Amino acid sequence: SQTIHQWPATLVQPVGSPLSLECTVEGTSNPNLYWYRQAAGRGLQLLFYSVGIGQISSEVPQNLSASRPQDRQFILSSKKLLLSDSGFYLCAWSSLGSAGELFFGEGSRLTVL
Amino acid sequence: TQLLEQSPQFLSIQEGENLTVYCNSSSVFSSLQWYRQEPGEGPVLLVTVVTGGEVKKLKRLTFQFGDARKDSSLHITAAQPGDTGLYLCAGGKSNYQLIWGAGTKLIIKP
Repeated sequence: SQTIHQWPATLVQPVGSPLSLECTVEGTSNPNLYWYRQAAGRGLQLLFYSVGIGQISSEVPQNLSASRPQDRQFILSSKKLLLSDSGFYLCAWSSLGSAGELFFGEGSRLTVL
Repeated sequence: TQLLEQSPQFLSIQEGENLTVYCNSSSVFSSLQWYRQEPGEGPVLLVTVVTGGEVKKLKRLTFQFGDARKDSSLHITAAQPGDTGLYLCAGGKSNYQLIWGAGTKLIIKP
C-alpha cells in the first residue's frame, strides 16, 4: 500500500533562518507531488506541485522554493524565513490520471519567531 | 475566479443529532471531493462525486453533488463524537487546479 511521510512534525525557527521540510512517498511510482500551506483551521493554499523529477510549478510567489531530486521525494525550502511563513505545511501525492484524489502526509507545524 | 464557499463555518451539536453542511459555487466543477481533517493531521479523503445529481453514502454520511455540478452537501445522520473535525470540500478539473473551500469545523458533543 502507498504511504506518505513528511518531517519534521514540528519546527520552531527564528526569522531569517533557513528551512527544509522533506516528504517521501512509498508504494507508488511517478506520483504528482504537492506542497500546501494551511492557515489555522482553514482551507488549503497550493504552494508548489510537481509532475516529475526536477519539474516544479509554483502557484504563489514567495520566499519559499521546492525541489524534487528523486521520483518520490519532495522538499520545501527557504533561505530566510519570514514571520508570515508560520503555518501548517502539508505534503500530498496523487496518481497520474486519477480523478484528483489527494493523499496527505501528517503535516509539519512551522512557527517562525 | 472559481470559489467554493462552505457553510456553516462552525457547527456544534449534540451526539445523536443530524446535520448538513454545504459547499457552494457559481462555477461548474467536473468533480468534487470531501475531506475530513483532525487537529494536527493531514486531510483524509472521504468521497469523490463526479456526476450531477450523484448521491454517495458512506455509513452515516451522505454526499450529494448538485444537478448542475456547482454545489454539494454532506449530511450526517446520528452524529457521533468521532465525526468531530474540519470538513473540507475541493473541486476542479485536475489535481493542481483544485479549488478548496475554507472548511466547516464540526464539533459533536457527547
